[in-house]
Amino acid sequence: QVQLVESGGGVVQPGRSLRLSCGASGFPFSSFGMHWVRQAPGKGLEWVALISYDGSKTYYRDSVKGRFTISRDNSKNTLYLQLSSLRTEDTAVYYCAKDASSFFDSCLFDQWGQGTLVTVSS
Amino acid sequence: EIVLTQSPGTLSLSPGERATLSCRASQSVWTRNLAWYQQKPGQAPRLVIYGVSSRATGIPDRFSGSGSGTDFTLTISRLEPEDFAVYYCQQYDTSPALSFGGGTKVEIK
Repeated sequence: QVQLVESGGGVVQPGRSLRLSCGASGFPFSSFGMHWVRQAPGKGLEWVALISYDGSKTYYRDSVKGRFTISRDNSKNTLYLQLSSLRTEDTAVYYCAKDASSFFDSCLFDQWGQGTLVTVSS
Repeated sequence: EIVLTQSPGTLSLSPGERATLSCRASQSVWTRNLAWYQQKPGQAPRLVIYGVSSRATGIPDRFSGSGSGTDFTLTISRLEPEDFAVYYCQQYDTSPALSFGGGTKVEIK
């Protein structure tokens, strides 16, 4: 079955950096676009970034452009999110999510990881 | 960006009752790319409905979706104890400028 396992969260000071990872199994990772979606404590869901199946295209929400970088290593079935210049408002659980369509970025999420908490605080 | 407004914010119902959740879009979702997710406390979201009315794998038939244009509805015909959760609608019509609604909490009355 599909498994997505995030890691790398923790407590970090404002302005610092952090790298999140998401290990995938149970499906042909290199055939699907992947996303990061976050959820601030007690709040709703917020899409963060998308990377196409082959890594050739990336998209970000405006508030993280220039600060976050999404990447993937298809040989390791792993998705990454590099978070830089972190702000307190970036505090959230970060989920990796699999796109429902192969070779096409539908932005429908059919599988989610359990999430990893990032806390930005001095 | 399409803004999605969900109502009510909280729905207090008893097991066995019918739940009707609303999601209104700021502009028409022409492609019918509208989904619903269920999220229980401490868990990741789970896809329930996609394409307005198609049930995701493993979702029981008491869940149904309907609507068109700017108004969409998720209906749970008879609430089971495991259905009490927060539900989010999402449009993926303007990918990657997708958006989520603010959520409706279905709680036990």
